[in-house]
Amino acid sequence: GAGVSQSPRYKVAKRGQDVALRCDPISGHVSLFWYQQALGQGPEFLTYFQNEAQLDKSGLPSDRFFAERPEGSVSTLKIQRTQQEDSAVYLCASSFYSGRAYNEQFFGPGTRLTVL
Amino acid sequence: GQQLNQSPQSMFIQEGEDVSMNCTSSSIFNTWLWYKQDPGEGPVLLIALYKAGELTSNGRLTAQFGITRKDSFLNISASIPSDVGIYFCAGQGGNAGGTSYGKLTFGQGTILTVHP
Repeated sequence: GAGVSQSPRYKVAKRGQDVALRCDPISGHVSLFWYQQALGQGPEFLTYFQNEAQLDKSGLPSDRFFAERPEGSVSTLKIQRTQQEDSAVYLCASSFYSGRAYNEQFFGPGTRLTVL
Repeated sequence: GQQLNQSPQSMFIQEGEDVSMNCTSSSIFNTWLWYKQDPGEGPVLLIALYKAGELTSNGRLTAQFGITRKDSFLNISASIPSDVGIYFCAGQGGNAGGTSYGKLTFGQGTILTVHP
């Protein structure tokens, strides 16, 4: 497709369950970002990949959060033993990295995670 | 996590009115951006500002990058019903833990409602 896609769009999990959220970036985009958006708030940075390398995971809230991008394209954000405070929209964004300080990030529609 | 201070939190206006919203930070940013987010979608870039003092227009939208690099404003002229949505400012780079790959720090958002 032409844009960033994410799946599933909605996920309901029972507390303690593991979940996996998928992001398909725009083809050819080197950079991939994950953000977490709590209800009524702006997105907050979680982690960054340049190709398959995870260069920054400083925003991951706990060691229950894990992200990977093994082949430098599709990325998966995994949350283990989900808790109610994990309920949020998880946004993926990609950009064409050219070494400049700024390249436009294109966002997917997000996955809305609700933990009961 | 760090977020920018965005105001107002919400606005209710009549179609045809002008709108102004702003964003401040205690940290310096190299780039300021303004996004719009519709329900169930990811943020979409409206305007990007690259230089302190820069004033940029995109149709009915005008935004400025503050001279101190710690603030920005967005104006919307002659509002129309499709302007409804949530507007976010975002900063990139600078001394707020900035990096060469461009992770974004967002404001809390301004909810805009336009009455026909």
